[in-house]
Amino acid sequence: GAVVSQHPSRVICKSGTSVKIECRSLDFQATTMFWYRQFPKQSLMLMATSNEGSKATYEQGVEKDKFLINHASLTLSTLTVTSAHPEDSSFYICSALSPVAHLHFGNGTRLTVT
Amino acid sequence: EDQVTQSPEALRLQEGESSSLNCSYTVSGLRGLFWYRQDPGKGPEFLFTLYSAGEEKEKERLKATLTKKESFLHITAPKPEDSATYLCAVQLPGGGADGLTFGKGTHLIIQP
Repeated sequence: GAVVSQHPSRVICKSGTSVKIECRSLDFQATTMFWYRQFPKQSLMLMATSNEGSKATYEQGVEKDKFLINHASLTLSTLTVTSAHPEDSSFYICSALSPVAHLHFGNGTRLTVT
Repeated sequence: EDQVTQSPEALRLQEGESSSLNCSYTVSGLRGLFWYRQDPGKGPEFLFTLYSAGEEKEKERLKATLTKKESFLHITAPKPEDSATYLCAVQLPGGGADGLTFGKGTHLIIQP
């Protein structure tokens, strides 16, 4: 069964609105979670590292004010896409690092901004 | 410059027709090489980790091998349910926070 749950699996929103995506580790506590974006036929691109109890670390070129990350507990990280635009439409995937250093991925969220 | 290159980009096989997928990397100091399977609209599912040249791992119809420059994912007598995108990722000493650099994947289609 899935050890990382991501919700929602699909979301459609209007341009200018904000969307929150949740990532939960079900079987373990994850002090570190990661957020990726994947465009069609492209690699997974790491956006940011979410650290429980501290600020997220963003990769170069990722706007921290646009992609807000909160890791409020050891089992939950959220990614909020603020003021979404059509170019933000993508497949967003989270992963969680287990205590034995295995990386488990969520099933992704398909975001469509109209 | 791509550090991880997967080939072919897409591969169509008949059921039972064995083949291999390639993942080549151009960096030194590899800490690990990972294979994942990704179904449409889903996140990557872990298959294998390889750490040193000469290492091999098997799971059902899949076998992964590693050399100093590349890894192969061999698929023997595939079935339609093996259709998916297979992703390769390398773990580098100076890699990203998650330590992984992904290739673009090979889209595998197994026709009945």
